[in-house]
Amino acid sequence: TQLLEQSPQFLSIQEGENLTVYCNSSSVFSSLQWYRQEPGEGPVLLVTVVTGGEVKKLKRLTFQFGDARKDSSLHITAAQPGDTGLYLCAGEDAGGTSYGKLTFGQGTILTVHP
Amino acid sequence: DTEVTQTPKHLVMGMTNKKSLKCEQHMGHRAMYWYKQKAKKPPELMFVYSYEKLSINESVPSRFSPECPNSSLLNLHLHALQPEDSALYLCASSPLSLGVDEQFFGPGTRLTVL
Repeated sequence: TQLLEQSPQFLSIQEGENLTVYCNSSSVFSSLQWYRQEPGEGPVLLVTVVTGGEVKKLKRLTFQFGDARKDSSLHITAAQPGDTGLYLCAGEDAGGTSYGKLTFGQGTILTVHP
Repeated sequence: DTEVTQTPKHLVMGMTNKKSLKCEQHMGHRAMYWYKQKAKKPPELMFVYSYEKLSINESVPSRFSPECPNSSLLNLHLHALQPEDSALYLCASSPLSLGVDEQFFGPGTRLTVL
């Protein structure tokens, strides 16, 4: 069974601060997806990282995939109240034995105060 | 069209009722999923349909019955549910691409069982 450890579980910061969310595993993933979810809505796909060592930027968000494709991080610069939500990482099985199944981290609940 | 739609948005039902949740996508995706999500937790996979055939059932109780009438539609039939089944039910779809298979989620149905 693959596991993704996501941390921190809760993050409460002031507007303008920077933050980093981590997802770590002992398993290799073929890709890793990051989602953001607002209360009562479905998760929205932010980015997919595929190549070991890959870095992707989406405005103030920077996503990194570890060289060994076992871990990933999300860094937000100058957080804004609109960034508030549940952030989820989800990995695709590199072994291909669980086709269609994502392994989700436990989620990070981010609150950005004005 | 890059959306997954779900109806209804909210549903309240008694334990003896029969109801159905509906999901639709027009992205030509070949896999569709049902997830259950409790508050502030990651989604839990329930069922996966690949090419309109049930490929994964995560040991879900028989009071939940999925159906895939065609490649664009996915239903979840509910009967004799329990109060602990109250949750956000999410539908997702993916193209079933080898290597990177991004899942796109609908907005969810908020189910309350009385």
